[in-house]
Amino acid sequence: GQNIDQPTEMTATEGAIVQINCTYQTSGFNGLFWYQQHAGEAPTFLSYNVLDGLEEKGRFSSFLSRSKGYSYLLLKELQMKDSASYLCAVREDTGFQKLVFGTGTRLLVSP
Amino acid sequence: EPEVTQTPSHQVTQMGQEVILRCVPISNHLYFYWYRQILGQKVEFLVSFYNNEISEKSEIFDDQFSVERPDGSNFTLKIRSTKLEDSAMYFCASKPSGTGDNSPLHFGNGTRLTVT
Repeated sequence: GQNIDQPTEMTATEGAIVQINCTYQTSGFNGLFWYQQHAGEAPTFLSYNVLDGLEEKGRFSSFLSRSKGYSYLLLKELQMKDSASYLCAVREDTGFQKLVFGTGTRLLVSP
Repeated sequence: EPEVTQTPSHQVTQMGQEVILRCVPISNHLYFYWYRQILGQKVEFLVSFYNNEISEKSEIFDDQFSVERPDGSNFTLKIRSTKLEDSAMYFCASKPSGTGDNSPLHFGNGTRLTVT
């Protein structure tokens, strides 16, 4: 079966750091993706991890531990425009590269 | 930057009617997908398409759904007889081939389908 869990909502203050966690139990694993989705818009790609460790990309970093089935997305120097949903998605090693999405975490950044 | 385009942005239809949702994937991409997102819920996989045939489909993708790539650019999702529970945002996505496993899915802006 597939189970990808994320907190439903988080709040943070402009300029702060926030960590969004994701735990997964899937039938296969061939990479984990983080997407950002503003309300009513398409998901946009943020980061990708397939090996254990930290991937850094500007204000955003993503970490993966395959043995623990765990990832997090770290957002630094938060800006108001970072208010969005953040989707954790696992690519299983079966099938044609489809992604299985978690429920998403709605992040609200306040002044 | 090339993007996936979807039309229409919003479609309203009556229960039982057929709808066709249209997508133009990025031109050099070879893997195509449809996902849907019911309001307030997670993004759900419907179907993947590669080499002019369905490569995988979910339980949601039953006999009322079909996909087609009628020419070299368009990729369509047809819902034969819509139901109220088909109301959702439908996203088309595409992915290149041969660029490594870290190539992400590129999503279109979606078609909001409202079934009344």
